[in-house]
Amino acid sequence: EAQVTQNPRYLITVTGKKLTVTCSQNMNHEYMSWYRQDPGLGLRQIYYSMNVEVTDKGDVPEGYKVSRKEKRNFPLILESPSPNQTSLYFCASSQRQGRDEQFFGPGTRLTVL
Amino acid sequence: GEDVEQSLFLSVREGDSSVINCTYTDSSSTYLYWYKQEPGAGLQLLTYIFSNMDMKQDQRLTVLLNKKDKHLSLRIADTQTGDSAIYFCAIYGSGNTGKLIFGQGTTLQVKP
Repeated sequence: EAQVTQNPRYLITVTGKKLTVTCSQNMNHEYMSWYRQDPGLGLRQIYYSMNVEVTDKGDVPEGYKVSRKEKRNFPLILESPSPNQTSLYFCASSQRQGRDEQFFGPGTRLTVL
Repeated sequence: GEDVEQSLFLSVREGDSSVINCTYTDSSSTYLYWYKQEPGAGLQLLTYIFSNMDMKQDQRLTVLLNKKDKHLSLRIADTQTGDSAIYFCAIYGSGNTGKLIFGQGTTLQVKP
């Protein structure tokens, strides 16, 4: 089944404790992206990747890092999480950027205390 | 930059039609999208419309696009309680980022 998976689905952590949210897709898509969803703001792009080893900042990249060492995986890293990063995070992928349907993962609900 | 606006809440009775509206400031997006988010779930692509079309019908769903007024709407006929969800319209931004620009989401409440 074609899908985007994320882990963990739920995470409660404390300020400053490094964490990684994994994202994997099995559709051989070139393009992957991370969004965060906050009430009343819709979804905003954090980082995106056009292909392996090619990543760039989206609209709200501060406090986040990403890597794309393999085509299928695109982890989101929070080196020193803060409470304002409490949010719902979605990973997405598509075959080509800017044209094709983006497939979304199930979301990761992160709470930073 | 581009911006997408939606009203935040819509309440209808089961069996009625629902119309969710969306406006955007500018778009070179080839397709315009409607996503559905059920409680606790991810985003599911509901339907989309090609930018040079005015209307697209897909079973109970009708999408209308008015490019002159930069207005997109989603009509759900015979709305059911299972249609209760948050609906997002989305367009691709300009530039080469592959970024989808989302509205704030409209929460549809269907009363029995």
